[in-house]
Amino acid sequence: QSALTQPASVSGSPGQSITISCTGTSSDVGSYNLVSWYQQHPGKAPKLMIYEVSKRPSGVSNRFSGSKSGNTASLTISGLQAEDEADYYCCSYAGSSTGVFGGGTKLTVL
Amino acid sequence: QVTLRESGPALVKPTQTLTLTCTFSGFSLSTSGMCVSWIRQPPGKALEWLALIDWDDDKYYSTSLKTRLTISKDTSKNQVVLTMTNMDPVDTATYYCARMSLPEGAFDIWGQGTMVTVSS
Repeated sequence: QSALTQPASVSGSPGQSITISCTGTSSDVGSYNLVSWYQQHPGKAPKLMIYEVSKRPSGVSNRFSGSKSGNTASLTISGLQAEDEADYYCCSYAGSSTGVFGGGTKLTVL
Repeated sequence: QVTLRESGPALVKPTQTLTLTCTFSGFSLSTSGMCVSWIRQPPGKALEWLALIDWDDDKYYSTSLKTRLTISKDTSKNQVVLTMTNMDPVDTATYYCARMSLPEGAFDIWGQGTMVTVSS
């Protein structure tokens, strides 16, 4: 179970859109539609933002969307807001009832 | 309302065994599809999945840590316990428990986390 690969940081201005990638392998991201994304503000527990690649839990803004192509999943945040500044982690099912997280991406809203 | 809360020692010595308890409410771990996982996060670093126990008492572990981990549940007390043997300073982290429900396969509710420092 090697960690999924995410960019260390991304940035964008308020109102813009950004995309965070999450690259795995054919043993995890590429094989299952069980990719989820989490937002974590400093000192806080992670919060589920996207599950099953592209589904949003109740209460999560529709500015957040997810997709997947091959071994790479992506999280897109449109209409960036200051409150979106946080760390974001992807997670994928990796078979045999195990999971693997990405290395995390720090989003800065300029 | 679903809540989870982690408890355990804040400080353990190297080579000791860590025992953490996750006490939850608002759901039953005997309900089909319900699971509880442990996930940790070293200071300033990424999340790492550790273990999962499901409604049927099946248990799954991180490949790299499976020899050191044991997860168990007490359904009557609404608790999940994680033990980690042979603690090392690199195990210093915030340890979270989180609920997962199937088939969604995502951690939808998290505890606040408990910080564990390994130091002599």
